[in-house]
Amino acid sequence: KQEVTQIPAALSVPEGENLVLNCSFTDSAIYNLQWFRQDPGKGLTSLLLIQSSQREQTSGRLNASLDKSSGRSTLYIAASQPGDSATYLCAVRKIQGAQKLVFGQGTRLTINP
Amino acid sequence: NAGVTQTPKFQVLKTGQSMTLQCAQDMNHEYMSWYRQDPGMGLRLIHYSVGAGITDQGEVPNGYNVSRSTTEDFPLRLLSAAPSQTSVYFCASSNDRANTQYFGPGTRLTVL
Repeated sequence: KQEVTQIPAALSVPEGENLVLNCSFTDSAIYNLQWFRQDPGKGLTSLLLIQSSQREQTSGRLNASLDKSSGRSTLYIAASQPGDSATYLCAVRKIQGAQKLVFGQGTRLTINP
Repeated sequence: NAGVTQTPKFQVLKTGQSMTLQCAQDMNHEYMSWYRQDPGMGLRLIHYSVGAGITDQGEVPNGYNVSRSTTEDFPLRLLSAAPSQTSVYFCASSNDRANTQYFGPGTRLTVL
């Protein structure tokens, strides 16, 4: 059974710092991995999608990497801003049962001005 | 494009009542899904559809029905609401499994 873990559960850093959020998964037979952002009381906003054949994806200040063999992905946020405060979720789409995204519990990020 | 829309935003039901959560997308996506989000449990798949007329169960389907008569709409029906169905419900869509999954804003449901 695929399990997705995100550590830490919560992170608080001062504005301007570069930071890394971690996501690990137990089954490397994945189709792709997606990072989402969720603001309190809101839906999920897709940030980056990495296919299983890719090693990383970049969008602005965000960079996501994928090491399928070790079951790990990281989301790197450069020059953090208070507006980056949110919960960040990673989700894997399995090859078997590809209709389903398996989500981690999320990392609640707070950027302090 | 409006993307994925959900109605209502909030709903309070009494145990035993039935209702339908609405979901619509205007991106011509074939894949649509319903998830529920609960504290400590994360997001879990309820039902999904890979096209009009095709639906299947996810990991927590009990107490819910779905149908997909058009590409655009994917309603979720609660047959007889129970307090255990108190949750936030998200609808999502994508044009195939290789691509980004888009989520609606959610429906916050409370069952008393």
